[in-house]
Amino acid sequence: QQQVKQSPQSLIVQKGGISIINCAYENTAFDYFPWYQQFPGKGPALLIAIRPDVSEKKEGRFTISFNKSAKQFSLHIMDSQPGDSATYFCAASSGATNKLIFGTGTLLAVQP
Amino acid sequence: DAEITQSPRHKITETGRQVTLACHQTWNHNNMFWYRQDLGHGLRLIHYSYGVQDTNKGEVSDGYSVSRSNTEDLPLTLESAASSQTSVYFCASSHAGLGNEQFFGPGTRLTVL
Repeated sequence: QQQVKQSPQSLIVQKGGISIINCAYENTAFDYFPWYQQFPGKGPALLIAIRPDVSEKKEGRFTISFNKSAKQFSLHIMDSQPGDSATYFCAASSGATNKLIFGTGTLLAVQP
Repeated sequence: DAEITQSPRHKITETGRQVTLACHQTWNHNNMFWYRQDLGHGLRLIHYSYGVQDTNKGEVSDGYSVSRSNTEDLPLTLESAASSQTSVYFCASSHAGLGNEQFFGPGTRLTVL
């Protein structure tokens, strides 16, 4: 049972463009939504995270948009750079368990 | 600097053998997690622990076991390795509580022949 659905599976963006990755969840008890970035041969690393009490969070070129009623959240990468080329995972957890349910990942390639 | 390490980084074994993957963290985190990463499945939780002597099953725990005898280590054991367990395994740790960042190790690539 896939509790967090992520799309697209892969994405090609030109340098300077906007990369958008979408996730949808089913469990309304989820209350923490992080995005992880993973480079080849490395472990995932936290990029940005949001709680459901806000609709948007921005850190530099990275923005999470959150729609609680639609049970959807998305990652926007503005002014995408070749160095942003990586796999991105959305995730969700509930309460203090800190157990993360991950999406299936999006392979982003930013072409120079 | 505090860190989380995994060993070995690469392992090739045969079907039916017992394999143990090590995970060691120096952040003094209470929470530790084991995931497997497979193409098309993302990261799936195998086992997790909230402290010494505490272990819990995750989404894909069949064929795996863990034990937590101290805060720093959570070894993952494959009792009788199967080809379906060929994967990349990641260990992670975090402080207890809502929304605390999970820090991931570099991963172990396991091949079962």
